[in-house]
Amino acid sequence: AQTVTQSQPEMSVQEAETVTLSCTYDTSESDYYLFWYKQPPSRQMILVIRQEAYKQQNATENRFSVNFQKAAKSFSLKISDSQLGDAAMYFCAYRSLPYNTDKLIFGTGTRLQVFP
Amino acid sequence: SAVISQKPSRDICQRGTSLTIQCQVDSQVTMMFWYRQQPGQSLTLIATANQGSEATYESGFVIDKFPISRPNLTFSTLTVSNMSPEDSSIYLCSVVLKLNTEAFFGQGTRLTVV
Repeated sequence: AQTVTQSQPEMSVQEAETVTLSCTYDTSESDYYLFWYKQPPSRQMILVIRQEAYKQQNATENRFSVNFQKAAKSFSLKISDSQLGDAAMYFCAYRSLPYNTDKLIFGTGTRLQVFP
Repeated sequence: SAVISQKPSRDICQRGTSLTIQCQVDSQVTMMFWYRQQPGQSLTLIATANQGSEATYESGFVIDKFPISRPNLTFSTLTVSNMSPEDSSIYLCSVVLKLNTEAFFGQGTRLTVV
């Protein structure tokens, strides 16, 4: 079975600075998707970024980018130019591709605080 | 994208009672899921809601406790039965529009059992 691990329960960053959130996963599959979701206090889960395992190029969405290391099974999220609105819980998630189950396996989350 | 309406947004219930949570999507979706998020915890999949057939439950979750209906491609309900304080959680509906796209989430239902 696949597992997702986030080893940082909490992180903090100053506004305009850069922060990196860590995620590792375990799988025997070769094809899969990885996601970072953000959950602000409103509880709404918002997709931040996704990465297909077959793509070598790291995904980027504006201030958000990932460092995907397939061999190491590592998938970290870098937030550049942090803003107060980035404060939230961040969840790393895994989804199998071959079986098209579409269900997500989540890590335990990292709470990000942003200080002015 | 998909717009998901989940009701109620929160409720406080007496132990021993049941609560039904509704999830309405603005478009037809292939997959619908129900997740539980216990206080301060991550999301755990309860079941996959299958249209026209019984839901597929994950290990640790049973139909008698969490009956699920999905009468069509845009609507599903989750019932939390015979509630106890341990059922106090956020329950989230999630959908996937078609295979290999991202999942969208409702705003969740915060349930408190007293």
